[in-house]
Amino acid sequence: AQSVTQPDIHITVSEGASLELRCNYSYGATPYLFWYVQSPGQGLQLLLKYFSGDTLVQGIKGFEAEFKRSQSSFNLRKPSVHWSDAAEYFCASQEPGGSYIPTFGRGTSLIVHP
Amino acid sequence: ETGVTQTPRHLVMGMTNKKSLKCEQHLGHNAMYWYKQSAKKPLELMFVYNFKEQTENNSVPSRFSPECPNSSHLFLHLHTLQPEDSALYLCASSQATPGLAGEEQYFGPGTRLTVT
Repeated sequence: AQSVTQPDIHITVSEGASLELRCNYSYGATPYLFWYVQSPGQGLQLLLKYFSGDTLVQGIKGFEAEFKRSQSSFNLRKPSVHWSDAAEYFCASQEPGGSYIPTFGRGTSLIVHP
Repeated sequence: ETGVTQTPRHLVMGMTNKKSLKCEQHLGHNAMYWYKQSAKKPLELMFVYNFKEQTENNSVPSRFSPECPNSSHLFLHLHTLQPEDSALYLCASSQATPGLAGEEQYFGPGTRLTVT
C-alpha cells in the first residue's frame, strides 16, 4: 500500500522568510500528488496538484511544489511567508488507475513568527 | 450556497444522546467522504460513498452510522458516543470514478464535536 510521509510535525518560520515543507511518498510509479492547507477551524483546501509533465507546479497563494522522482519527494515551497500562512499543511497521493481515495500524510503545522 | 456545507458547526452532546451531522455538496460530485480529525492524530477516513453506495468502512464503531440518501447529501448519525469520539468531523466530496484517480477532494468546514 502506498504511504505519504511528512517528516516535520511543526515548522516555525519568521514572517518574510522562505518556506519548504517536506513530503515523501512510497509508490513504484509516479502517483498523483496534492498539497492541501487547513486554516484553523476550517476544512482542507487544495493548494496545488501534480499529475505529470513539468515537475514544478504552481498553486494558489504563491505556493509551488517540485516533484523529484529520484527522491520520491514533492516538497512545498513559498519564497516569502505571510502571517496568514500559519496553518496545517497536508500532502496526499493517489495511485494512477487505482483507488480514487487519497492517502494523506500526518500534516505539518506551520507557525509564523512576526 | 456553493461548495461543501456542514451543519452544525459545533455540537456538544452527552454520552447517551442521539444526534446527526449533515453534509451537503453543491458541486455535482458523485463521491462523498467522512473523516475524523483528532488533535495530534492523522486524518482518519471513516466512510466513503460513491453514487449513494457505501464503498469504504474503515472499521468504524457501530455507534457511528452513515446515511447517503442521494449524491448531494451525507449524514452521520451518532449515538452512545464516548469522550474519545470528540473531534472535528470533516465531510468531503469529489468527482470520482472507480479505477481512475486524479480528482481532488473538496472539504466542508467541519463539525466540532464534544462528547461530555
